[in-house]
Amino acid sequence: NAGVTQTPKFRILKIGQSMTLQCTQDMNHNYMYWYRQDPGMGLKLIYYSVGAGITDKGEVPNGYNVSRSTTEDFPLRLELAAPSQTSVYFCASSYRQGTETQYFGPGTRLLVL
Amino acid sequence: AQKVTQAQTEISVVEKEDVTLDCVYETRDTTYYLFWYKQPPSGELVFLIRRNSFDEQNEISGRYSWNFQKSTSSFNFTITASQVVDSAVYFCALSTSGGSNYKLTFGKGTLLTVNP
Repeated sequence: NAGVTQTPKFRILKIGQSMTLQCTQDMNHNYMYWYRQDPGMGLKLIYYSVGAGITDKGEVPNGYNVSRSTTEDFPLRLELAAPSQTSVYFCASSYRQGTETQYFGPGTRLLVL
Repeated sequence: AQKVTQAQTEISVVEKEDVTLDCVYETRDTTYYLFWYKQPPSGELVFLIRRNSFDEQNEISGRYSWNFQKSTSSFNFTITASQVVDSAVYFCALSTSGGSNYKLTFGKGTLLTVNP
């Protein structure tokens, strides 16, 4: 099993550009999550999904969108990138609800200039 | 509301020293789960342990041990005979079975540096 994979590893965006961060898991997990990690601030939940076709907002959803058309994939869309979105983004998955162990992807480092 | 506090921002030790990373949590739920993750300099998040609120037994895994005390709402992590490879940021996290059961609340992390 590859676990949770994310692409790209690193990206530089200009202000106002858009992009999609890809996340795929091969563990047949129902729950998937997107977090952002800012220096010294731990991880904050952006969006999560409890299964294909079902998504919901986390703590910091503004400026992002998600979709979940399959169990395996959970892409995160940034529209109109802003410098405040400079961060490291982690995708995670768990078999069931959040009390189960969440397994994380390697992260995507995004720089918005 | 859930909250996790890791009061130690940075710790520096010399190899072979023992080191304890503190974690204090807050929740009103009676059923909850506590986690520790390791983030080495390469950046990935590595799962270390998951413990539920009904199991207060301490756990040992090699050089790692965890001390869970509900009375003080703490879930501390000790590395015995630290090694340079233990250098990383360590995160404590909390999840509950209540209304926000999707959510993993992280502390801000403790940067551990083990010097040779």
